[in-house]
Amino acid sequence: SQQGEEDPQALSIQEGENATMNCSYKTSINNLQWYRQNSGRGLVHLILIRSNEREKHSGRLRVTLDTSKKSSSLLITASRAADTASYFCATDGGGYNKLIFGAGTRLAVHP
Amino acid sequence: DTAVSQTPKYLVTQMGNDKSIKCEQNLGHDTMYWYKQDSKKFLKIMFSYNNKELIINETVPNRFSPKSPDKAHLNLHINSLELGDSAVYFCASDGGSGANVLTFGAGSRLTVL
Repeated sequence: SQQGEEDPQALSIQEGENATMNCSYKTSINNLQWYRQNSGRGLVHLILIRSNEREKHSGRLRVTLDTSKKSSSLLITASRAADTASYFCATDGGGYNKLIFGAGTRLAVHP
Repeated sequence: DTAVSQTPKYLVTQMGNDKSIKCEQNLGHDTMYWYKQDSKKFLKIMFSYNNKELIINETVPNRFSPKSPDKAHLNLHINSLELGDSAVYFCASDGGSGANVLTFGAGSRLTVL
C-alpha cells in the first residue's frame, strides 16, 4: 500500500505567499525526502531529512519531521511562479533500496 | 549532458503489441529503477537493479521484463500491451550514498489504444 500521503492534493496561491504541504506516512523510516515535478518532466530531488532530525532548511525551503506523528511538512517561502509544480514526499523505510512516494500536492503560484 | 536519459519520450501503440523503453545513466550509479506514474500522478516502484542484478520486483505482471546489460543501462520490455499499461514510466538511478536519493529521467509516456 502507499506509504506517504500528501495534503492538500492541490494548492493555489499568489506570488510572494508561503506554501505549506504536509505528508503523512505509516511505518518507521530512515529518512524522508521531498521531490518536485514540473509538468511533463521527471522528479527532481529537493531536500532530505533524516529520522533523527526535526527541521532542515535549504534556500526558501523548510522541512520539518515529526516521527511521533509520522508526518512531515514542506514550507516554500516567498513563492514564485516558477515554483508551480507537483511536490512529492518519499519515504525510505530501510528496505533494500526502496523509496516509496506519496500521490503529491499540485501547487499553482499565480503572478 | 543528460544524467538519466530515456527513449522514447512518447510511445503510442495498439493493444497486444510488444514495446521497449530504454534508459541510460551517465552518473556512474550502481542502482537503477523503473517507476510507473498513473493518470492520478501516483508513482509506484516496479523494479530495481543493483549492478545488473535484480533486487526489487514489485509484483509486476510477467508481461513486464526488465533487462540490465550493464550497470549504466536498464531497459523495460512490455509484452502483450493492455489499456491499463498506459502511464508515464520513469527511470531513475541512485548514487549509493545510503540515503536512496534518486535522479530521474524525463519519463516515457506510453499510450495503449
